[in-house]
Amino acid sequence: DIQMTQSPSSLSASVGDRVTITCRASQSITRFFNWYQQKPGKAPTLVIYATSNLQSGVPSRFSGSGSGTDFTLTISSLQPEDSATYYCQQSYSTPPTFGQGTKVEIK
Amino acid sequence: EVQLLESGGGLVQPGGSLTLSCAASGFTFSNYAMSWVRQTPGKGLEWVSTISGSAGSTYYADSVKGRFTVSRDNSKNTLYLQMNSLRAEDTAEYYCAKDPSYSGSYPTLDYWGQGTLVTVSS
Repeated sequence: DIQMTQSPSSLSASVGDRVTITCRASQSITRFFNWYQQKPGKAPTLVIYATSNLQSGVPSRFSGSGSGTDFTLTISSLQPEDSATYYCQQSYSTPPTFGQGTKVEIK
Repeated sequence: EVQLLESGGGLVQPGGSLTLSCAASGFTFSNYAMSWVRQTPGKGLEWVSTISGSAGSTYYADSVKGRFTVSRDNSKNTLYLQMNSLRAEDTAEYYCAKDPSYSGSYPTLDYWGQGTLVTVSS
């Protein structure tokens, strides 16, 4: 199975800050890669698909980049509603696997 | 609006069985693959199974292969997960999720249900 490793596991930032979360795959997954947001008590929602495509309805302050084994999710200007846990996921091979999550808190 | 509503969770003894259902609305159900994903505090998110739009292809995690069966009834817009020989480690919140593709060969989960809790305990 492909292992997905996220960093950091948690972060605290101020409103308006630029926030970057990284995810590394244990082998190349080309661009078959997604990001999800999960708020407490809620189901995950898709934020970015195929590495850099913004899911419908997601604010443009979210962006994704990367290829091969290294990927990033960037929030250009952190907002209070962005407080959540973010998960990466590879869809390159079965089984699809997720990272362990990055908890983003607002200072 | 896409809506996915899971049901069927509950408390079951080890070795027991349970069937989860996921009622879908707001899209042409038969055109899309569907998946089950579970979540535990300790192990995070774990993909369980995917079924293609026609039900011609199914995929399973090794941890559930031979014990769980995914199926769908496109006439009822409903996805199922039959879970047999349940173990304590199957305890989790189970989500159904829609895939934007028909085949589900590269699972991306663009819409999720609210989840149903399965607890395996004596």
